[in-house]
Amino acid sequence: KQEVTQIPAALSVPEGENLVLNCSFTDSAIYNLQWFRQDPGKGLTSLLLIQSSQREQTSGRLNASLDKSSGRSTLYIAASQPGDSATYLCAVFNSGGSNYKLTFGKGTLLTVNP
Amino acid sequence: ETGVTQSPTHLIKTRGQQVTLRCSSQSGHNTVSWYQQALGQGPQFIFQYYREEENGRGNFPPRFSGLQFPNYSSELNVNALELDDSALYLCASSPGPYGSYEQYFGPGTRLTVT
Repeated sequence: KQEVTQIPAALSVPEGENLVLNCSFTDSAIYNLQWFRQDPGKGLTSLLLIQSSQREQTSGRLNASLDKSSGRSTLYIAASQPGDSATYLCAVFNSGGSNYKLTFGKGTLLTVNP
Repeated sequence: ETGVTQSPTHLIKTRGQQVTLRCSSQSGHNTVSWYQQALGQGPQFIFQYYREEENGRGNFPPRFSGLQFPNYSSELNVNALELDDSALYLCASSPGPYGSYEQYFGPGTRLTVT
């Protein structure tokens, strides 16, 4: 059974800092990994999708890496801004028998202070 | 291009009642997945519908049921509501049922059971 863990559970940083969010998963047989952003009480906004054959993806100030063999992904946010404050969720799509669903971590609550 | 929409936004029900939540998939998408997100947790997979058939189901009891219509919109029905059913219900649409396709999430329906 796939399990996804995100560390830290919460992070508070001053504006302008570079930061790294961590995600680990127990079963390396995945199709892809997605990072999402969730504002309080809202739905999920997809940030980056990394296919299993890829090592990283970049979008603006965001860079996500994937090491499938070790079951790890990181989301790097450069020059953080107060508007980046949200919960960041990592999710993996398994291959094999349950290859129709995303398995999520519990998220990292990020607060960027002005 | 219209994104994923869900209705209603908020809903308050009494224990033992039944509820129906609705989701309109993004244009061109034939697959809808439903997730339940309890407060402070990551979303949990309920089930997926692909071309009007259930294509996979998570660890939820039979009182959680669904439908997909010929236009690929979908309903989630929950019978005999329990207090623990209080959560944010998210639907996601995708161009296909498997892990190679990116999931696009709607804004969610907040269900409160009293």
